[in-house]
Amino acid sequence: SQKIEQNSEALNIQEGKTATLTCNYTNYSPAYLQWYRQDPGRGPVFLLLIRENEKEKRKERLKVTFDTTLKQSLFHITASQPADSATYLCALVFSNTGNQFYFGTGTSLTVIP
Amino acid sequence: ETGVTQTPRHLVMGMTNKKSLKCEQHLGHNAMYWYKQSAKKPLELMFVYNFKEQTENNSVPSRFSPECPNSSHLFLHLHTLQPEDSALYLCASSQDRGNSPLHFGNGTRLTVT
Repeated sequence: SQKIEQNSEALNIQEGKTATLTCNYTNYSPAYLQWYRQDPGRGPVFLLLIRENEKEKRKERLKVTFDTTLKQSLFHITASQPADSATYLCALVFSNTGNQFYFGTGTSLTVIP
Repeated sequence: ETGVTQTPRHLVMGMTNKKSLKCEQHLGHNAMYWYKQSAKKPLELMFVYNFKEQTENNSVPSRFSPECPNSSHLFLHLHTLQPEDSALYLCASSQDRGNSPLHFGNGTRLTVT
């Protein structure tokens, strides 16, 4: 069965630095990979989507890379701010399973002022 | 606001009670979902409705019963639950069953005593 691992459960970084979160998977590569942000007591909020044939996607201070050889996606937040503190989830979407989403357990990011 | 509204936000129920969770989306989406989120576990897909038809039931116990009267409303009927069913129950919607991002509500925190 497909396994998804997100680096550590918790990541602490200093304000202004770049946060890098990883999402590793086994077996088959997804057709799409999405990243979500979840704040305490809230539902996840969609951030970025990257397709299988794309290497990199950017949105403001966010950047996502997708390496199907390494079976890994990296999620970067540049010039991090305390407001970026949240849990970040990756979700893999496989076209051969009716586009079902498979979520990782998430990485809790804390940006220290 | 996320465009997906869930009520109630919190629910405490005994194992012999019957209760219902409600979800309403104002986004004009065609697909709606129920997810279960437990601590330190990935989001777990429970049910999917596409154009009001149930398309997936991920081996969910019969004590959970979904209902989708129209494309904007989704219910989860609960009866004779177990303490291990305590979790955050999230409703989501998407434009279609493809790679469209999921739009989540803020969930119902359920505690079974």
